[in-house]
Amino acid sequence: AQTVTQSQPEMSVQEAETVTLSCTYDTSESDYYLFWYKQPPSRQMILVIRQEAYKQQNATENRFSVNFQKAAKSFSLKISDSQLGDAAMYFCAYRSLSNFGNEKLTFGTGTRLTIIP
Amino acid sequence: EPEVTQTPSHQVTQMGQEVILRCVPISNHLYFYWYRQILGQKVEFLVSFYNNEISEKSEIFDDQFSVERPDGSNFTLKIRSTKLEDSAMYFCASSEARRLTNYTFGSGTRLTVV
Repeated sequence: AQTVTQSQPEMSVQEAETVTLSCTYDTSESDYYLFWYKQPPSRQMILVIRQEAYKQQNATENRFSVNFQKAAKSFSLKISDSQLGDAAMYFCAYRSLSNFGNEKLTFGTGTRLTIIP
Repeated sequence: EPEVTQTPSHQVTQMGQEVILRCVPISNHLYFYWYRQILGQKVEFLVSFYNNEISEKSEIFDDQFSVERPDGSNFTLKIRSTKLEDSAMYFCASSEARRLTNYTFGSGTRLTVV
């Protein structure tokens, strides 16, 4: 079974600075997806960024980018120019492609990000 | 942008009562999921549903839980006899196909068992 580990329960960053959230995972599969989700106080799950394992190029979405190291099974999220609206819980998630009809997500325990004005 | 709709947003129920949580997935999506998040904890997979049957369920999804797609649009999660520990946020999600990454969560139903 796959596991996802987020070793930083809490992080804080000054507004306009850059912060990196860590995520590692364990799998024997070669083909999968990785995601970062943001959960604000409303508790809605908002997709931030996704990465296909077969792509070597790191995904980027505006101020959000990932550092995907497949051999090391590492998938960190970098937030540049942090804004107050970035304050939230961030979850890393793994999606297997090995079981047809079931693409469940396995989540990490989350990192609570605080933005300091 | 298409949305996954969940109702109600918040439900309070007495211990031992049955509850039905409702979800309307995105219309062309084929895979449906329920997840649970106990307050302050991570999101946990409950069940996946494809082609009108359960494709996988977790250890959490015991006999008190059931899912169905009664009318081709709604996707429901029934908890037969609620317990205090069932209090959580329940998320419905749907996805279009295996290789497409449109995996969309609803805004959740907060279930409080008293």
